[in-house]
Amino acid sequence: ILNVEQSPQSLHVQEGDSTNFTCSFPSSNFYALHWYRWETAKSPEALFVMTLNGDEKKKGRISATLNTKEGYSYLYIKGSQPEDSATYLCAFHSGSARQLTFGSGTQLTVLP
Amino acid sequence: NAGVTQTPKFRILKIGQSMTLQCTQDMNHNYMYWYRQDPGMGLKLIYYSVGAGITDKGEVPNGYNVSRSTTEDFPLRLELAAPSQTSVYFCASNKDRGTQYFGPGTRLLVL
Repeated sequence: ILNVEQSPQSLHVQEGDSTNFTCSFPSSNFYALHWYRWETAKSPEALFVMTLNGDEKKKGRISATLNTKEGYSYLYIKGSQPEDSATYLCAFHSGSARQLTFGSGTQLTVLP
Repeated sequence: NAGVTQTPKFRILKIGQSMTLQCTQDMNHNYMYWYRQDPGMGLKLIYYSVGAGITDKGEVPNGYNVSRSTTEDFPLRLELAAPSQTSVYFCASNKDRGTQYFGPGTRLLVL
């Protein structure tokens, strides 16, 4: 079983604050790293799929970076808004696997 | 294009009953997955399939069975339901290990 860890487990920020959280994954046999956004009572929605070391992806105020050599990815949210409140999941895809291994998620609450 | 659909949305079962959770996708994806989400936990993979006629166990397969007779459908069967199977079940699909698309989930309560 692969070890994919996310930190922190939960986070409360004020509206307008910028924030970031971490996903750690095995540094060997890397294929891809996925980020998903999961709102309460809905299903996960894909944010990014990252495949290359040094990759940076951006979608509006959300961006992500990838370091495959040391096995981590950061997700950044600039100027958080209440609608950003959700659980952010990362998922690791190893080269030999047909399935993703998900982290437990970071639950973000943005207070107005 | 409906994406991934799941039925039912919610179900209450008594201990020992059986049921099938339905999952259908219309995106011609070859890969399909069943996950469960327990409170405070992430997603645990139950079973997955890489194409019609092929299924494999995930991390938590005990108490479940699947079949994949067509590309579109991937039903999950619960035999002899137990309280430990109370959870939210998500079906997902993707093409060749790309982005996974999730269904809306089935909430199951076993009493």
